[in-house]
Amino acid sequence: DTGVSQDPRHKITKRGQNVTFRCDPISEHNRLYWYRQTLGQGPEFLTYFQNEAQLEKSRLLSDRFSAERPKGSFSTLEIQRTEQGDSAMYLCASSLGATGQGDYGYTFGSGTRLTVV
Amino acid sequence: LAKTTQPISMDSYEGQEVNITCSHNNIATNDYITWYQQFPSQGPRFIIQGYKTKVTNEVASLFIPADRKSSTLSLPRVSLSDTAVYYCLVGGPYTGGFKTIFGAGTRLFVKA
Repeated sequence: DTGVSQDPRHKITKRGQNVTFRCDPISEHNRLYWYRQTLGQGPEFLTYFQNEAQLEKSRLLSDRFSAERPKGSFSTLEIQRTEQGDSAMYLCASSLGATGQGDYGYTFGSGTRLTVV
Repeated sequence: LAKTTQPISMDSYEGQEVNITCSHNNIATNDYITWYQQFPSQGPRFIIQGYKTKVTNEVASLFIPADRKSSTLSLPRVSLSDTAVYYCLVGGPYTGGFKTIFGAGTRLFVKA
């Protein structure tokens, strides 16, 4: 296992188009997270899965955004009717579930850079 | 979620020890302190995590005083490749740690 993989690395799309990103987490990690990062800022939490269940969504996540994690393995993040403000780096991370002794830290992928023109 | 405050930027020279301090006054009892490093066009990379006192691994040390209201990441003998953004995060399994607020981080510039 080589870590968290994200595909594609870069995506350029026209405003109004739909885009979908994929994340393959570390196989034994049951938790998966999506973040968005704009230039000069730290990552912002978008949503979180434990196995296949989506347990938390940020209020930042508009109805145009949807995420899935079928069978608790890979995850997809779809953005419908993209807007220029959606241009950002979309990061996926995974982790082992907390055992009550603290989280073991997140492993991030290299991200998908989205540019909406 | 505990808010963190860290310097916006720091400069250093190769071979020096760098200490980056993070304030987290409202840290909760079950919260852990985690530091990440991020290079341009890459995702953040886990560096070190601790709960109290001192933690050391092969790349860094983390010092946490008894009141846990701050923490210091120590990078021994930095090199040019340590130029990156460093994030301090506070959270845990009972305080929504998965919602991890990264903030703007500390931009470390290592000069030759």
